[in-house]
Amino acid sequence: DVKVTQSSRYLVKRTGEKVFLECVQDMDHENMFWYRQDPGLGLRLIYFSYDVKMKEKGDIPEGYSVSREKKERFSLILESASTNQTSMYLCASRDTSHEQYFGPGTRLTVT
Amino acid sequence: QKEVEQNSGPLSVPEGAIASLNCTYSDRGSQSFFWYRQYSGKSPELIMFIYSNGDKEDGRFTAQLNKASQYVSLLIRDSQPSDSATYLCASYSGNTGKLIFGQGTTLQVKP
Repeated sequence: DVKVTQSSRYLVKRTGEKVFLECVQDMDHENMFWYRQDPGLGLRLIYFSYDVKMKEKGDIPEGYSVSREKKERFSLILESASTNQTSMYLCASRDTSHEQYFGPGTRLTVT
Repeated sequence: QKEVEQNSGPLSVPEGAIASLNCTYSDRGSQSFFWYRQYSGKSPELIMFIYSNGDKEDGRFTAQLNKASQYVSLLIRDSQPSDSATYLCASYSGNTGKLIFGQGTTLQVKP
């Protein structure tokens, strides 16, 4: 079974803090994704990566950056957390047949 | 126009009935289609995928694809209260290399 893990299920941070969300997959997938999900807005793609050290902006990259130094790990960074970044963050990894698997999610609250 | 459209619901069916969830997409270049189930507070779980026109069955689930009409559906037979969740439809676009998600349909199965 594909396994995608995220470093935290719940996280509370203060405004202005730098926040790191970690994602690890164990299936040697090349493609990895970060989404946020908010009520009424659905899933929105923040960033994605097709390979190590490669990254592409998604639909809402502002205020975020990413890092992919190893194939299995994709990190999302909030440079200076703001209250409007309070959300559920979902990491996903995808195989060559386009089947995409999600991690359990991190519910981030910025106060 | 949204690229993948779903009726938000809620769709309410009695236990034991067939639940029919529908999805339309606008990109004729879409190659493959996916159904995810998402329980409240949890991450999306891949339950079905379909690439070819016609029906694909997996247990109580049947996915149907009609590329000419740009229409995908998910049928759940013998619906159970445990099927109550939000169902997300997604299409894979070879043009963008991304999955495009609908907003989801909430299904309620009443005992």
